[in-house]
Amino acid sequence: DSGVTQTPKHLITATGQRVTLRCSPRSGDLSVYWYQQSLDQGLQFLIHYYNGEERAKGNILERFSAQQFPDLHSELNLSSLELGDSALYFCASSVAAGVGEQFFGPGTRLTVL
Amino acid sequence: EDKVVQSPLSLVVHEGDTVTLNCSYEVTNFRSLLWYKQEKKAPTFLFMLTSSGIEKKSGRLSSILDKKELFSILNITATQTGDSAVYLCAVEVGFGNEKLTFGTGTRLTIIP
Repeated sequence: DSGVTQTPKHLITATGQRVTLRCSPRSGDLSVYWYQQSLDQGLQFLIHYYNGEERAKGNILERFSAQQFPDLHSELNLSSLELGDSALYFCASSVAAGVGEQFFGPGTRLTVL
Repeated sequence: EDKVVQSPLSLVVHEGDTVTLNCSYEVTNFRSLLWYKQEKKAPTFLFMLTSSGIEKKSGRLSSILDKKELFSILNITATQTGDSAVYLCAVEVGFGNEKLTFGTGTRLTIIP
């Protein structure tokens, strides 16, 4: 157990809908990262927050947004969902930015029908 | 665009064999290279490498980084069935805008 929690574990929804994925980092970690893992793409970096501020963006679609709250938990919002958004979404945390080792949560499996 | 390439894509060996997994990279603002093991779910951390030529070791696993030739290898000796997993290489880049770029992984299968 890495100490990073993600909810929900599974999510099944329809195209066009909007969902919110939640992540609680390890106690004391200030950085939160979001990744998408699909079968044909591997792990893709989406976005990095550090102590409430956006730090770096990857190939995150405009339909996707994220935020990190004062208690350091983070939410990833996915809207206007498409079939291709079906994937495993991981959150990871690290004690600070740029320290390398990240601890991954168990992931949320999103299925868009 | 940052690129991390792993080879081979998959590998099947017998228990007790030694394997070498490769990772090459082309990135800007290199900070570190990391190896992760992914079994059923979340990746778990193995090693972080920042300096060339210094081997990191943990039990039967070891790894080394060559910053001149831009690659790293992960060695596993005396493999066991529990080593079966996808091994991911990632490079951390950026100063002030840190992110990890992952390779697609090497799927290692150990046959008893």
